[in-house]
Amino acid sequence: DTEVTQTPKHLVMGMTNKKSLKCEQHMGHRAMYWYKQKAKKPPELMFVYSYEKLSINESVPSRFSPECPNSSLLNLHLHALQPEDSALYLCASSQVFGYEQYFGPGTRLTVT
Amino acid sequence: GNSVTQMEGPVTLSEEAFLTINCTYTATGYPSLFWYVQYPGEGLQLLLKATKADDKGSNKGFEATYRKETTSFHLEKGSVQVSDSAVYFCALTPNFGNEKLTFGTGTRLTIIP
Repeated sequence: DTEVTQTPKHLVMGMTNKKSLKCEQHMGHRAMYWYKQKAKKPPELMFVYSYEKLSINESVPSRFSPECPNSSLLNLHLHALQPEDSALYLCASSQVFGYEQYFGPGTRLTVT
Repeated sequence: GNSVTQMEGPVTLSEEAFLTINCTYTATGYPSLFWYVQYPGEGLQLLLKATKADDKGSNKGFEATYRKETTSFHLEKGSVQVSDSAVYFCALTPNFGNEKLTFGTGTRLTIIP
């Protein structure tokens, strides 16, 4: 089973809201990733968690706050977003950091 | 640094045509190479992979061969279907771990009946 699940599928939020994106995998993978994808572009890496520790933060604004409660779960907390943050947010996991990655279906985020 | 170059899209083909999407890379050592596919409104799916020179990855009728001498990993399919319409991303990761995935820009493929 190579499934990564993400909720919600769609999210519309105002610039003053606080919301969270959730990601889950049950493949026993020890690395998890958040990506942002704008239309007609490849995914851009935001964060990497390896063995539940933040390994990479690609200079992402502090209005995005990742959390890894355990090895199966990854959250992305959102606060005071801007309209330009509207995008598809993808979660991925891999056996360990640097191995092939498996992606979830994404959350389509619209900031109004 | 690492980089991946894909052929410019969009690519439009008729059903049952032969498909080639070119991909070349720059990396030190022997990276692992991947093709991901993204169908409209969905996330990325791993289509195929190759981890060493001369390996051939294959899946769903698609094939790609890891060519170290030409630093290439071209995607091919002998007879495309309308359902193959999607965006295809070539990607690499170095083989010594703890390195992020480097993507190409993506190639949008449209198959017309």
